[in-house]
Amino acid sequence: NAGVTQTPKFRVLKTGQSMTLLCAQDMNHEYMYWYRQDPGMGLRLIHYSVGEGTTAKGEVPDGYNVSRLKKQNFLLGLESAAPSQTSVYFCASSYSSGRYNEQFFGPGTRLTVL
Amino acid sequence: AQSVTQLDSQVPVFEEAPVELRCNYSSSVSVYLFWYVQYPNQGLQLLLKYLSGSTLVKGINGFEAEFNKSQTSFHLRKPSVHISDTAEYFCAVSDRRKLIFGQGTELSVKP
Repeated sequence: NAGVTQTPKFRVLKTGQSMTLLCAQDMNHEYMYWYRQDPGMGLRLIHYSVGEGTTAKGEVPDGYNVSRLKKQNFLLGLESAAPSQTSVYFCASSYSSGRYNEQFFGPGTRLTVL
Repeated sequence: AQSVTQLDSQVPVFEEAPVELRCNYSSSVSVYLFWYVQYPNQGLQLLLKYLSGSTLVKGINGFEAEFNKSQTSFHLRKPSVHISDTAEYFCAVSDRRKLIFGQGTELSVKP
């Protein structure tokens, strides 16, 4: 099993460009999450999904959109990138909520916006 | 809503010394707690979790944590650290459909 994979691993964008980050999991998990990690700020939740076809806003959703068309994939989109979106992005998945909310993380995508 | 506070942002320690990383959570009827480790340039991986039962939880790499309901704490301990334990450690609490993470503690093990 590959677990949680993220594509790409690195990306450099210019301000105003768009891109999509892909997250895939092969554990048949219902829940998927997108976080960003910045120095001194820990992990901040961007958006999450509790099942195929559903999405919900997290703590810092502005400037991002997501889609969950297939259960195993969760896409994070930046429509018009800004330097403030320079960060490391992590995807995670879990079986369910509450006591079943052990999250499995991908290796991360390092994004630089110039 | 749940919250988590990690009391130390950085913990320097010498190799083979014991270490304790502190975590406090907000009180709730049912609480599920996790510790994750992040090695440099990697994603997070689970160290251990408390769901119910014994308050002393053992995890990977010789780490353990004690759930203390009266003090609303879930401190992580290791009796003797190695250089390879240098990493960032995150405490987290389950809050409905999400995990709420603390700000992280950087453990730096020096020879």
